[in-house]
Amino acid sequence: EAGVVQSPRYKIIEKKQPVAFWCNPISGHNTLYWYLQNLGQGPELLIRYENEEAVDDSQLPKDRFSAERLKGVDSTLKIQPAELGDSAVYLCASSFSGTGLNEQFFGPGTRLTVL
Amino acid sequence: AQTVTQSQPEMSVQEAETVTLSCTYDTSENNYYLFWYKQPPSRQMILVIRQEAYKQQNATENRFSVNFQKAAKSFSLKISDSQLGDTAMYFCAFMKAAGNKLTFGGGTRVLVKP
Repeated sequence: EAGVVQSPRYKIIEKKQPVAFWCNPISGHNTLYWYLQNLGQGPELLIRYENEEAVDDSQLPKDRFSAERLKGVDSTLKIQPAELGDSAVYLCASSFSGTGLNEQFFGPGTRLTVL
Repeated sequence: AQTVTQSQPEMSVQEAETVTLSCTYDTSENNYYLFWYKQPPSRQMILVIRQEAYKQQNATENRFSVNFQKAAKSFSLKISDSQLGDTAMYFCAFMKAAGNKLTFGGGTRVLVKP
């Protein structure tokens, strides 16, 4: 079974440029998460989707960040315009939210460098 | 709000020896899950072990075991017979029993030396 797929793995951009990250969750997983991981720190949740609906986006900086999950499968996270402080790893995870433990499975992440 | 604290930024251990990583957390919840995740340099976050708060028995997974002290809100990870492939960042994480949100600690870097 394929795991969570993310692309690109690495992205280098100039500040003020836009950037987008893509995530394909594990087949059948209805919940999708985007995390921000700064260097040397633990991941922090940016947004969580239940199917197509964003149910927790309280930590998403909405002035420059946006996300979508069309058809409740793939998701895209966008930053426009990017700032120097956005340099980090962006992790995507997915889970099947039914009864019991909703174990999350993580993708390899996208490392963003803003120059 | 929940908080998770890992007080050891870095630990080193000789191959085949044992290392214990500390984790404390703060919550008012009674039912929850605790996790240890491993993140090697490749960045793929992998679940190592989990513990349900309602279970008194400590979880074990091969060479990995936990010491769960609910009253003290402590959740340490013991890696026995350390292998070179255990070199990674290790994150402790908390999740409410009826929730989906993981709250992570700051991580402990483990270096296994040959």
